[in-house]
Amino acid sequence: EDQVTQSPEALRLQEGESSSLNCSYTVSGLRGLFWYRQDPGKGPEFLFTLYSAGEEKEKERLKATLTKKESFLHITAPKPEDSATYLCAVLPPDDKIIFGKGTRLHILP
Amino acid sequence: GAVVSQHPSRVICKSGTSVKIECRSLDFQATTMFWYRQFPKQSLMLMATSNEGSKATYEQGVEKDKFLINHASLTLSTLTVTSAHPEDSSFYICSANGQVPQAFFGQGTRLTVV
Repeated sequence: EDQVTQSPEALRLQEGESSSLNCSYTVSGLRGLFWYRQDPGKGPEFLFTLYSAGEEKEKERLKATLTKKESFLHITAPKPEDSATYLCAVLPPDDKIIFGKGTRLHILP
Repeated sequence: GAVVSQHPSRVICKSGTSVKIECRSLDFQATTMFWYRQFPKQSLMLMATSNEGSKATYEQGVEKDKFLINHASLTLSTLTVTSAHPEDSSFYICSANGQVPQAFFGQGTRLTVV
């Protein structure tokens, strides 16, 4: 069965304290892995798509990496405005995206 | 990037009434759209796949007679929650996949049934 597991469930960091969020997946025929940011009461906001193992993408303080079994979202020197829930999702061949439960990130000033 | 617009963003309705939520792809055609439901501090759960010009396909456990989906054009899908009850209160989100594998999401609709 295809599934996505994110860890940790919640993470509190001091401003400037770098860390990584994990997304482990089991999917047959992965077409893509997505990272989204979701703020309370809003829909997910697209961050990255990764297509193959070894691929990396960066945007400001965020960097996403992908292996055959997991993806990491690295956050460098985070700021309070980076506080949000970060969702990982995979796209199998049937187009039905499978989401992880997310990591709630809280950056303390 | 592609934009998906969802309306309304918030709605409060009385128990027993029906509520319609619209999902539009603004700058691309979407033969397939997806409807999700999200409870507080939970992830998005796929409810159904909306197919343009044909019947929607529902995930296991989702009542198709309660959650009516219509995808009459390549840019519009609607979700109607019929005979709403307080337990239907939730955050509903639609998405559409672009040509490059990627899902674009609407802003979500907060439904409160009183």
